[in-house]
Amino acid sequence: DQQVKQNSPSLSVQEGRISILNCDYTNSMFDYFLWYKKYPAEGPTFLISISSIKDKNEDGRFTVFLNKSAKHLSLHIVPSQPGDSAVYFCAASRTFNAGKSTFGDGTTLTVKP
Amino acid sequence: DAGITQSPRHKVTETGTPVTLRCHQTENHRYMYWYRQDPGHGLRLIHYSYGVKDTDKGEVSDGYSVSRSKTEDFLLTLESATSSQTSVYFCAISPSQDGYTFGSGTRLTVV
Repeated sequence: DQQVKQNSPSLSVQEGRISILNCDYTNSMFDYFLWYKKYPAEGPTFLISISSIKDKNEDGRFTVFLNKSAKHLSLHIVPSQPGDSAVYFCAASRTFNAGKSTFGDGTTLTVKP
Repeated sequence: DAGITQSPRHKVTETGTPVTLRCHQTENHRYMYWYRQDPGHGLRLIHYSYGVKDTDKGEVSDGYSVSRSKTEDFLLTLESATSSQTSVYFCAISPSQDGYTFGSGTRLTVV
């Protein structure tokens, strides 16, 4: 059973508009959530995270929202830029679990100029 | 950024041969991880290490073994490579709660 799901394999957005990437999880023990960005032929890079004690975290153009009751999180990118075109992975982990993370399958974001 | 390098970057090997992938870090971090990435499957944990000689299995560990004889090196071995192990392999370290630092990956093709 996949514990972290990204149901949209791809998303296309116009430059300057908002990109919203979604992620659902099933394991209520997860208490830390992360987003990674991956360009082709490179390793993923950490983007932003949120603890389960918060419902929002912002870092510049990136905001992550967490809805614990719905077991849902989303990443908002405003405004979207062509350089944001990449694969975005959602990940979840449990505190004191050796730092292991469970990843979603990823969403490919394309930002059109 | 934490220093983490993987070698080789690319490898083609034949079915049934042993293969070892290397991950090297320069930051003295305790935890190290091996993930594989396949189309449509995201990243899946193969094995991880929480210290020298301390390793444990992840969700897709069958057919793989690991070793960590030094803090800086974490080796992933495919004892007898199969075509289903064709994948991109990523090593990661966990320098802080702000997520992993990943290596650049090893693209392995088993023919």
